[in-house]
Amino acid sequence: TQLLEQSPQFLSIQEGENLTVYCNSSSVFSSLQWYRQEPGEGPVLLVTVVTGGEVKKLKRLTFQFGDARKDSSLHITAAQPGDTGLYLCAGADYNNNDMRFGAGTRLTVKP
Amino acid sequence: SQTIHQWPATLVQPVGSPLSLECTVEGTSNPNLYWYRQAAGRGLQLLFYSVGIGQISSEVPQNLSASRPQDRQFILSSKKLLLSDSGFYLCAWSVDREYEQYFGPGTRLTVT
Repeated sequence: TQLLEQSPQFLSIQEGENLTVYCNSSSVFSSLQWYRQEPGEGPVLLVTVVTGGEVKKLKRLTFQFGDARKDSSLHITAAQPGDTGLYLCAGADYNNNDMRFGAGTRLTVKP
Repeated sequence: SQTIHQWPATLVQPVGSPLSLECTVEGTSNPNLYWYRQAAGRGLQLLFYSVGIGQISSEVPQNLSASRPQDRQFILSSKKLLLSDSGFYLCAWSVDREYEQYFGPGTRLTVT
């Protein structure tokens, strides 16, 4: 079973700052998803990336899939308090299609 | 469009009591269904998944069981709750195992 490692575990920044969070593994993924979860709610899908080197943008959020499809990053520009939440990555193993989740990065954006 | 429902939203149960959490999906047929537990706002632990009616796979040995009596209904049960069963339980569905999962609103279970 592949292990998805997310870093940092916790991140606290001021409104307006930029940040990047990472999702890494030694395994190859056929696809990778990013979710955001707010307290007391279920995770909400933000994006899916499937092609090595792929970059997707969602307003101030930029998602990148590594060339080897083993890692991904999420960059937020000019963070806002509404970006606060737990960011989870999940990957489908290339060999057996098992979907696994990372432990998440808890982001706090202070006004 | 597809929607996923979970109930109850919150539950407080004494140790040793039974448990039944229900999840239903609308707007899709033959979904893959999943039960996760999340402790302290951290990562998701996959408990069970189902690819069809009556087909249940368990990821970890535990005090819980799951059933899928209908195509779009997934139930999480326990005969006797333990303190360690407390947590946030999430149901999810996907088109197939390698595709995106869509989550319900969750159930907060506190075992006292």
